Amino acid sequence: KNQVEQSPQSLIILEGKNCTLQCNYTVSPFSNLRWYKQDTGRGPVSLTIMTFSENTKSNGRYTATLDADTKQSSLHITASQLSDSASYICVVSAWGSQGNLIFGKGTKLSVKP
Amino acid sequence: EPEVTQTPSHQVTQMGQEVILRCVPISNHLYFYWYRQILGQKVEFLVSFYNNEISEKSEIFDDQFSVERPDGSNFTLKIRSTKLEDSAMYFCASGQDHEYFGPGTRLLVL
Repeated sequence: KNQVEQSPQSLIILEGKNCTLQCNYTVSPFSNLRWYKQDTGRGPVSLTIMTFSENTKSNGRYTATLDADTKQSSLHITASQLSDSASYICVVSAWGSQGNLIFGKGTKLSVKP
Repeated sequence: EPEVTQTPSHQVTQMGQEVILRCVPISNHLYFYWYRQILGQKVEFLVSFYNNEISEKSEIFDDQFSVERPDGSNFTLKIRSTKLEDSAMYFCASGQDHEYFGPGTRLLVL
């Protein structure tokens, strides 16, 4: 069964600190992996998208990695800001599927001053 | 920057009533989607729509759900006879290979 698992479930860090969020997936055939940021009560906003051949991608202070062999991804946030407080969702797309995305439950990040 | 919009932002309805959720996708996008997120749970795929027909749907998208593109801009999700368990946030999205999500409609079925 296609699944996406994320850890930790929640995380509290101090402003200015770095953090890394983890994602494991069992989706086949794999097409791409995305990280989304979702503010409470809002729609997900795309941060990065990586295909099978990409093992790292950056978007400002966000850097995602992908290991397609071990089916693991991480999202590293550098120099966190209060506005980074949100849920970060790992989403995997299966090849040949248009829009049928498999979502993780997300990691709820709280950045404290 | 163009964005997906949804109306209403909140809807409260009685069990058994019909609801229509509306979405205006990004104007040059050809693929449209509906997702839902029950409170505290994962976002779940409902349906994808392309060229005026459903291209893929999940097990959740049963006969009580339907989608329509009534004109050149709107994309709607109809729930014919709402159940308590339909209470959720419903997200519309558009795009191909990279979905852009709307802000969602929070549906509460009483």
